[in-house]
Amino acid sequence: DGGITQSPKYLFRKEGQNVTLSCEQNLNHDAMYWYRQDPGQGLRLIYYSQIVNDFQKGDIAEGYSVSREKKESFPLTVTSAQKNPTAFYLCASSIKGALPTEAFFGQGTRLTVV
Amino acid sequence: AQSVTQLDSHVSVSEGTPVLLRCNYSSSYSPSLFWYVQHPNKGLQLLLKYTSAATLVKGINGFEAEFKKSETSFHLTKPSAHMSDAAEYFCVVGFSGNTGKLIFGQGTTLQVKP
Repeated sequence: DGGITQSPKYLFRKEGQNVTLSCEQNLNHDAMYWYRQDPGQGLRLIYYSQIVNDFQKGDIAEGYSVSREKKESFPLTVTSAQKNPTAFYLCASSIKGALPTEAFFGQGTRLTVV
Repeated sequence: AQSVTQLDSHVSVSEGTPVLLRCNYSSSYSPSLFWYVQHPNKGLQLLLKYTSAATLVKGINGFEAEFKKSETSFHLTKPSAHMSDAAEYFCVVGFSGNTGKLIFGQGTTLQVKP
């Protein structure tokens, strides 16, 4: 089945640690995105990538880093510089084109700082 | 500035009664518009999309939405609510000036009472 796989589903991090969230897609999409979701705030864009080896900051990139070495993969690292990392993280992908198309979402990773 | 506003953070209906979730957008361009649904601790699923074809768009599970350019609105409706419709709904706008980037509303929680 084609889709987006995020792992792990739940992740616990100690303060001061870096953690990496995995996102893999087999939809052959060029564009991939990371969103952060907090209660009552909708989804906010962290980083996005429209092609391999290239990515851009979204609206809340501080304290996060990404890489895009393969078309299928777009891992997100939450660094110790992120002051409030507890949130639900969603990865998405879409076809790149002149007009915006719908994004396909993974099932999310819930990160909790302990 | 480009933005999207969901006018109600919470909507409560009785099972079998109509559903109306309201969305307004602000844009200088012709947008692409989407409605997504999210069940607790899950990813987002596309309900329907508008991409400059018919102004009345039909989606999955009996939902539909009407694009009204003069009112800059894209309200989501369903004639008869079902218990399984209880979820979070997001109105999303994509703009051709930001290829691939989507702007999310704050979300509307739909409660369906028996």
